[in-house]
Amino acid sequence: EVQLVETGGGLVRPGSSLKLSCATSGFTFSNTWMNWVRQAPGKGLEWVALIKDKYSNYEANYAESVKGRFTISRDDSKSRVYLQMNTLRDQDTATYYCTRRGYYTPWGQGTLVTVSS
Amino acid sequence: DVVMTQTPPSLSVAIGQSVSISCKSSQSLVYSDGKTYLHWLLQSPGRSPKRLIYQVSNLGSGVPDRFSGTGSQKDFTLKISRVEAEDLGVYYCAQTTHFPDTFGAGTKLELK
Repeated sequence: EVQLVETGGGLVRPGSSLKLSCATSGFTFSNTWMNWVRQAPGKGLEWVALIKDKYSNYEANYAESVKGRFTISRDDSKSRVYLQMNTLRDQDTATYYCTRRGYYTPWGQGTLVTVSS
Repeated sequence: DVVMTQTPPSLSVAIGQSVSISCKSSQSLVYSDGKTYLHWLLQSPGRSPKRLIYQVSNLGSGVPDRFSGTGSQKDFTLKISRVEAEDLGVYYCAQTTHFPDTFGAGTKLELK
């Protein structure tokens, strides 16, 4: 059974940093491209970042809204994907989900990041 | 980026009624392999999204057959026959043909 479990969210001040983690199981993580997708309270879904697999040299891509502030990474030995978020803004407040690119199933429970002074 | 336009933004339905949701993309969603990577998700209240349909018309595992998806190129439809209470929530279309992945704004299905 495929499982995705996001952790690391919390309440932080604007300008601060936070690192999210996504633990995965039930599929071959090392050759799967992984996304982070977020959902602001009461809003729709927004793609945030993608990391490709080793065969694509772990290429990373970002939404314009987070480029230069967020860094996606992965540890194939642990089947985990991460999102390092720096210089957080109020607008980054959202539930963050990791997903398998191209599948969008299943979804984890997400982890809530609240940026507020 | 590909813009996904969903209509209507909300629907009020009675249990047992049938409804359709439209999703139109700003570009053709046919990939170079000939497949169309258009998917439908449902987010029930307070829950994470769940994929219902993938590649236009394929039902996800465990999804009831009262859900069906049709369409091609830039124009897609999700139909729910005989709506049940568990079908209420927000429906999203999503495309993964073009980078980056993009989503429709959602259609909220509510009980009349």
